[in-house]
Amino acid sequence: DAGITQSPRHKVTETGTPVTLRCHQTENHRYMYWYRQDPGHGLRLIHYSYGVKDTDKGEVSDGYSVSRSKTEDFLLTLESATSSQTSVYFCAIRELADTDTQYFGPGTRLTVL
Amino acid sequence: EDKVVQSPLSLVVHEGDTVTLNCSYEVTNFRSLLWYKQEKKAPTFLFMLTSSGIEKKSGRLSSILDKKELSSILNITATQTGDSAIYLCAVRYNFNKFYFGSGTKLNVKP
Repeated sequence: DAGITQSPRHKVTETGTPVTLRCHQTENHRYMYWYRQDPGHGLRLIHYSYGVKDTDKGEVSDGYSVSRSKTEDFLLTLESATSSQTSVYFCAIRELADTDTQYFGPGTRLTVL
Repeated sequence: EDKVVQSPLSLVVHEGDTVTLNCSYEVTNFRSLLWYKQEKKAPTFLFMLTSSGIEKKSGRLSSILDKKELSSILNITATQTGDSAIYLCAVRYNFNKFYFGSGTKLNVKP
């Protein structure tokens, strides 16, 4: 599982409230990613980080912000949650050695009422 | 616009059948193509293919990258019920970004 945890694993919130999801890794990987997964859309990249305080936008970044103040933690914030942000959110780390691929956390199911 | 398209969207086969899943891509600065298997949880990595390594095999699964046609196939021979899952294709482009297709849902019946 590449030492990735996500918290919370499930959350129900109301429209307009702020929400922060946390991704934590234990293996000192430089690259971390946030995706959302919705039926019929596969995984869509929200934001990613290539180092502490270094982040970049993905294809569906509107309405989301991220922060990375230390290597092991990558936070995803919904400043004012909307029902369209109801989704399953996956965090991933990118392992540069060997396969240069991504390994995913267990996911967070977020419901915005 | 960058995109990754998988086909078919879904597939139903019987145990023992051979299946071929397709992935085509159109992205800037292609770096690699990856296949993942997703059961009722997070995706798990299967293969990575690059321009320098265009065919991979692991047991009953194999994958080929066609650089000319900008596509890849994932073959599964002698399918088993445990192969039932969503298979995702992803492309790494512009150095650090990954673009995923919408997946092929495979259902293997006993």
